[in-house]
Amino acid sequence: QKEVEQNSGPLSVPEGAIASLNCTYSDRGSQSFFWYRQYSGKSPELIMFIYSNGDKEDGRFTAQLNKASQYVSLLIRDSQPSDSATYLCAVSASGGYQKVTFGIGTKLQVIP
Amino acid sequence: DTEVTQTPKHLVMGMTNKKSLKCEQHMGHRAMYWYKQKAKKPPELMFVYSYEKLSINESVPSRFSPECPNSSLLNLHLHALQPEDSALYLCASSQESGQVAETQYFGPGTRLLVL
Repeated sequence: QKEVEQNSGPLSVPEGAIASLNCTYSDRGSQSFFWYRQYSGKSPELIMFIYSNGDKEDGRFTAQLNKASQYVSLLIRDSQPSDSATYLCAVSASGGYQKVTFGIGTKLQVIP
Repeated sequence: DTEVTQTPKHLVMGMTNKKSLKCEQHMGHRAMYWYKQKAKKPPELMFVYSYEKLSINESVPSRFSPECPNSSLLNLHLHALQPEDSALYLCASSQESGQVAETQYFGPGTRLLVL
């Protein structure tokens, strides 16, 4: 069973701080990594994807990938109350590129 | 346009009913997905269609029957469901590069309650 692990939280950060969300995965052959945000009662929406080792930045968001350590993270700078949501890490399956496995998600609370 | 639409938004059905969920996308994506999500759990993959052919069935019970009439439409036919099937049903679509997993774009979901 290929797994994606996240701390379910809640992770509480003050407004304006950096939120750091982490994810580990067990499938060494995984090639694609995604971060989705899901507000309560809504569907997941893509925040970022990353395929290569290193950092990828998009506005206030930075995704970091380390395939050797099987670790992917998401940093949110200048956190806003509107960032309060559950953040799902999704990892593609080796040998089956159409299938991604989601972690349980980390609930982020940004305190005004 | 990255919109995936789903109807209905909410559905209440009895265990003897037959109903269908519908999903539509006009992004030219050739892969479409059905997921089931229970409260405080991650989405669980049910089915994948690639170029209108069923490519993945995650051992889903036969009371769920998917259909892909064309590249823009995806249906999920429901029959003789159980109360534990109550969940948020999510449709998603993605490009189909054939090499790496592409970003999946999700619809708003159908919240299903089985009585």
